[in-house]
Amino acid sequence: GQSLEQPSEVTAVEGAIVQINCTYQTSGFYGLSWYQQHDGGAPTFLSYNALDGLEETGRFSSFLSRSDSYGYLLLQELQMKDSASYFCAVREISGNTGKLIFGQGTTLQVKP
Amino acid sequence: GAVVSQHPSRVICKSGTSVKIECRSLDFQATTMFWYRQFPKQSLMLMATSNEGSKATYEQGVEKDKFLINHASLTLSTLTVTSAHPEDSSFYICSASDTRTQYFGPGTRLLVL
Repeated sequence: GQSLEQPSEVTAVEGAIVQINCTYQTSGFYGLSWYQQHDGGAPTFLSYNALDGLEETGRFSSFLSRSDSYGYLLLQELQMKDSASYFCAVREISGNTGKLIFGQGTTLQVKP
Repeated sequence: GAVVSQHPSRVICKSGTSVKIECRSLDFQATTMFWYRQFPKQSLMLMATSNEGSKATYEQGVEKDKFLINHASLTLSTLTVTSAHPEDSSFYICSASDTRTQYFGPGTRLLVL
């Protein structure tokens, strides 16, 4: 079957570092994406990994290990505005016709 | 990332009426767009894949006669919820895809009374 597993909730304090893990089992794999969604808003694209390794974009980094079917999103120097839901998603088909399969989302709460 | 717009952002309608939601890709041509719905505190559920110039591909369990999708041009896809009922109340989000990933519109919150 197709499934993505990520923790349901994570809590951290301002200034800290938090890692949100995602393991996947899908019929095809062409990349792992991460999205941020604030309450009442739409998902915002954060990062994409098609190859093994670390991708860094400012305070956010994303890692992929295809052999382990595993990836993570790393958020550094946490800010209150980072409190949101974070979704990992696997693209199953190449090109722009590929569906995304979403995880259930991780709610991150950043405390002062 | 790509810019995707959606209209309206919020709509309230009476049970039995039809509601049309528009999704536009503003800065690139999208041969494929996707429609999702999301219930509170839940993940995104793919409803259908919208293909320019051809019929949409619906996910299992999604009624194609109830959720009509039209992708008339490379920048516009529409979702029409026909004969809406209170259980259709939800957050509907479209996305446009490039070769890497999908970019989402701001969503449409539908409330059916």
